[in-house]
Amino acid sequence: DGGITQSPKYLFRKEGQNVTLSCEQNLNHDAMYWYRQDPGQGLRLIYYSQIVNDFQKGDIAEGYSVSREKKESFPLTVTSAQKNPTAFYLCASNGATDTQYFGPGTRLTVL
Amino acid sequence: EDQVTQSPEALRLQEGESSSLNCSYTVSGLRGLFWYRQDPGKGPEFLFTLYSAGEEKEKERLKATLTKKESFLHITAPKPEDSATYLCAASSGGTSYGKLTFGQGTILTVHP
Repeated sequence: DGGITQSPKYLFRKEGQNVTLSCEQNLNHDAMYWYRQDPGQGLRLIYYSQIVNDFQKGDIAEGYSVSREKKESFPLTVTSAQKNPTAFYLCASNGATDTQYFGPGTRLTVL
Repeated sequence: EDQVTQSPEALRLQEGESSSLNCSYTVSGLRGLFWYRQDPGKGPEFLFTLYSAGEEKEKERLKATLTKKESFLHITAPKPEDSATYLCAASSGGTSYGKLTFGQGTILTVHP
């Protein structure tokens, strides 16, 4: 089955700790995205990548970092500089059209 | 700056009671208007893409329409399983290819 997978489903972070969220797609899509979703708010763009080895900051990139070493993978690291990381994180991708397809999400909680 | 606004924030319907969700957009050169359904704790599920004013698309009890300023998601004779958050998003010629601007969503609850 083609699709987007995210892991883990739930993640807990201690103060001062960096954590990495995984996103993998087998849709052969060039572009991949990371969003953050907070209760009562729309999706906010963290980072996006339109091609391997290239990525751009979105609207709320501070405290986050990404890499794009392979077409199918776009991991997101939440660093200790992100002061309010508790949220639902969504990965998405798109191919030839603007229609984005989403993974199942990772819920990050800071302890 | 591109903006997408959805209304109402929440909508409660009785089973079989038809209604509409609104998505107003202000973007520089609309490339596409997207509707997604999101269940609690899950990723958004793609429903429709609309590209030009006057376009309509249907899927089961849902029909999406588009004008030059807004889009509507019409729900005909809803069932409890239609309960979810419905998200609207737009892509524009003023942003990088593929970037979407999302509304805050409408939480739909359908009571049996």
